[in-house]
Amino acid sequence: GAGVSQSPSNKVTEKGKDVELRCDPISGHTALYWYRQSLGQGLEFLIYFQGNSAPDKSGLPSDRFSAERTGGSVSTLTIQRTQQEDSAVYLCASSFERGVPGANVLTFGAGSRLTVL
Amino acid sequence: ELKVEQNPLFLSMQEGKNYTIYCNYSTTSDRLYWYRQDPGKSLESLFVLLSNGAVKQEGRLMASLDTKARLSTLHITAAVHDLSATYFCAVDIRNDYKLSFGAGTTVTVRA
Repeated sequence: GAGVSQSPSNKVTEKGKDVELRCDPISGHTALYWYRQSLGQGLEFLIYFQGNSAPDKSGLPSDRFSAERTGGSVSTLTIQRTQQEDSAVYLCASSFERGVPGANVLTFGAGSRLTVL
Repeated sequence: ELKVEQNPLFLSMQEGKNYTIYCNYSTTSDRLYWYRQDPGKSLESLFVLLSNGAVKQEGRLMASLDTKARLSTLHITAAVHDLSATYFCAVDIRNDYKLSFGAGTTVTVRA
């Protein structure tokens, strides 16, 4: 697509429920990232997918968070048993494969705003 | 642990004047990025700085990188209203494209 597409744009859920956030990266971008932006905070790295390699999950804050990427394209970030501190904007970004010119420029989606009541 | 610090965090600019945003980071890196974010919007890439002494300019914005000082600056010349936004710097210390972001500088340009 023309840009990184994320859905839903807004999600309000009750504490304890599971949520899924979706990211559709730019066509041809093999690298995909999830970041979290909490109110008044900078962006926090969560997870990174590069092609068929095992994902780098080093930024996931707890085992309630998981992500998958199907067919090297669409990714889903799942948060189980949501807590109020999970409230944030979840940003997805994609880029070209490492080593390809322009690979170091991440294109971000508009984000999914999650509110946990 | 890498720390990326921006200052100021809030900047009220007067139209027509010049201002500088600073980005300090705590670990050696020669890959630094500047992004802009408008309220409710995604981040837009402004500059990619990949070497010591790198300088990039686009319109009223100019970014530079001093890797020895671990400092990048974003200079705004003759501020105009449409530059109002939040500006983030980000550092890639391991060349693995996992960016560490500063907290952002929220810029408001007033007449």
